[in-house]
Amino acid sequence: KQEVTQIPAALSVPEGENLVLNCSFTDSAIYNLQWFRQDPGKGLTSLLLIQSSQREQTSGRLNASLDKSSGRSTLYIAASQPGDSATYLCASRGENAGNMLTFGGGTRLMVKP
Amino acid sequence: AAGVIQSPRHLIKEKRETATLKCYPIPRHDTVYWYQQGPGQDPQFLISFYEKMQSDKGSIPDRFSAQQFSDYHSELNMSSLELGDSALYFCASSFGARGRLVAEQFFGPGTRLTVL
Repeated sequence: KQEVTQIPAALSVPEGENLVLNCSFTDSAIYNLQWFRQDPGKGLTSLLLIQSSQREQTSGRLNASLDKSSGRSTLYIAASQPGDSATYLCASRGENAGNMLTFGGGTRLMVKP
Repeated sequence: AAGVIQSPRHLIKEKRETATLKCYPIPRHDTVYWYQQGPGQDPQFLISFYEKMQSDKGSIPDRFSAQQFSDYHSELNMSSLELGDSALYFCASSFGARGRLVAEQFFGPGTRLTVL
């Protein structure tokens, strides 16, 4: 059974810092990995999707990388802003898990002005 | 751009009552997924439908059932509600969920169910 872990669980940084969020998964047989943002009590906003054949994806100040062999993905946020404060979740879609996404526990990010 | 629509957005029920949550996928999406997110928890997969047929089943209690209709909208029916069913219920949709297709899942805003 796929297990997805995110480190750190919480992170507080001053505005302007570059930061890295980590996601690890136990089963490397995945179709893709998605990164989501969730504001408190709100829905999930898809940020980036990396297919298993890709190494990274970029969208604005966000860059996500994928290393299937080591079971790791990272989300890099450049020049963080207070508006980036949210919980960031990674989720994998496993080859042996049908269509379901398996989520990590999330990283709660606070960017202080 | 059209997004996934869920209704109602908030629902309050008593124990042992029933509830029906509705999901309208993004136009032309053929796959619908249901997830449950308890307080302080990460989303857990419940069930999915592809072309109106159940495609995968996760940790969905026997008290819950779901279906996808001919217009691709889906309903999650919950009976004999328990306090522990209080959660945020997400619906997601995608196009082409079979095999190795990309099938990015787009999530709705969720329905917050409170069971008293």
